[in-house]
Amino acid sequence: KQEVTQIPAALSVPEGENLVLNCSFTDSAIYNLQWFRQDPGKGLTSLLLIQSSQREQTSGRLNASLDKSSGRSTLYIAASQPGDSATYLCAVGDTGKLIFGQGTTLQVKP
Amino acid sequence: KAGVTQTPRYLIKTRGQQVTLSCSPISGHRSVSWYQQTPGQGLQFLFEYFSETQRNKGNFPGRFSGRQFSNSRSEMNVSTLELGDSALYLCASSGGRDFYGYTFGSGTRLTVV
Repeated sequence: KQEVTQIPAALSVPEGENLVLNCSFTDSAIYNLQWFRQDPGKGLTSLLLIQSSQREQTSGRLNASLDKSSGRSTLYIAASQPGDSATYLCAVGDTGKLIFGQGTTLQVKP
Repeated sequence: KAGVTQTPRYLIKTRGQQVTLSCSPISGHRSVSWYQQTPGQGLQFLFEYFSETQRNKGNFPGRFSGRQFSNSRSEMNVSTLELGDSALYLCASSGGRDFYGYTFGSGTRLTVV
């Protein structure tokens, strides 16, 4: 049974810092991995999708990597801003469904 | 391009009642899946529909059911509501010519009193 873990559960950083969010999964047989952002009480906003054949994806200040052999993905946020404050969720694509980690709640202080 | 639309945004129901939530996927997407989000359990998969057929089902009791119509719009129904059903219910759509991941709606916040 696939299990997804995100560390740390919460993170507080000063504005401008570069930071890394971690995601690990127990079964390397995944279709893809998707990172989402969730603001309080809102739905999920897709940030990056990495297909199982890819190693990384980049969008603006965000870079996500995938290492299936070690069961890990990282989300790198460069030059963090207060507007980046949110919960970040990692989700592994299984057959027709996503399996989510518990999320990392990020606070970026001005 | 319109996103995933979920209605209603908020619902308050009494224990024992039933509720129906609606989800309209992105135009051209044929797969609709539903998730329940609670503070204790996080995001959990309920079921997935593709071309009006349930293709996948999570580990939820039979009180939770769904369907998909020919226009890909989907509904989920919860019967005999319990307090523990209070949650944010999220719908996601995917599909089209290429797979670009899942797109989620804003969710329906259900409160059972």
